Amino acid sequence: EIVLTQSPGTLSLSPGERATLSCRASQSVISSYLAWYQQKPGQAPRLLIYDTSNRATGIPDRFSGSGSGTDFTLTISRLEPEDFAVYSCQQYGSAPITFGQGTRLEIK
Amino acid sequence: EVQLLESGGGLVQPGGSLRLSCAASGFTFSNYGMSWVRQAPGKRLERVSTIHASDKIFYADSVKGRFTVSRDNSKNTLYLQMNSLRAEDTAVYYCAKCIASSLCPYDKWGQGALVTVSS
Repeated sequence: EIVLTQSPGTLSLSPGERATLSCRASQSVISSYLAWYQQKPGQAPRLLIYDTSNRATGIPDRFSGSGSGTDFTLTISRLEPEDFAVYSCQQYGSAPITFGQGTRLEIK
Repeated sequence: EVQLLESGGGLVQPGGSLRLSCAASGFTFSNYGMSWVRQAPGKRLERVSTIHASDKIFYADSVKGRFTVSRDNSKNTLYLQMNSLRAEDTAVYYCAKCIASSLCPYDKWGQGALVTVSS
């Protein structure tokens, strides 16, 4: 099973700043099958990025993904107030599908 | 508009059973893989089970032999039969639509169904 470890656990930033979130896999992620989700309290996750760098439908271009192998990054170029949430990564290239533990992005 | 609506959650005693349903609309249900993903309080998301459009099925080790996933394409509905429930199965259970027939990042999620296993 591929274990995904996200860092930092909590990231405190201000609106307008740049956020960089990391997801590290215990083994190489096949075909860069890595996704990112945003989740707000009491809500279901929302797909942001799939296949490492493809934005999902309706996702603003301030969200971008990059990486390969075992190291992946989600970047939010300029934080908007609605971006403060928990972000989780997911690998779907190897069974079982696994998720990271999440990074909480909070307002500084 | 794609919609997923879960039902069937609730409070059940350890050792009991529940069946979750997920009614899908707004897309050709039979063409897509579907999953159940759960989230216990304060825990990471956990993929419980996936059923591809081809009916290939996967289970998490934690539920294998106790849970059964199925789909009825004529009713656009996904099911999860949960037997021998344990306290550690307590979670919000989400129905999630895969982005393709067998490739599963999830581009649509239901609102979630709370399952509580307690005496």
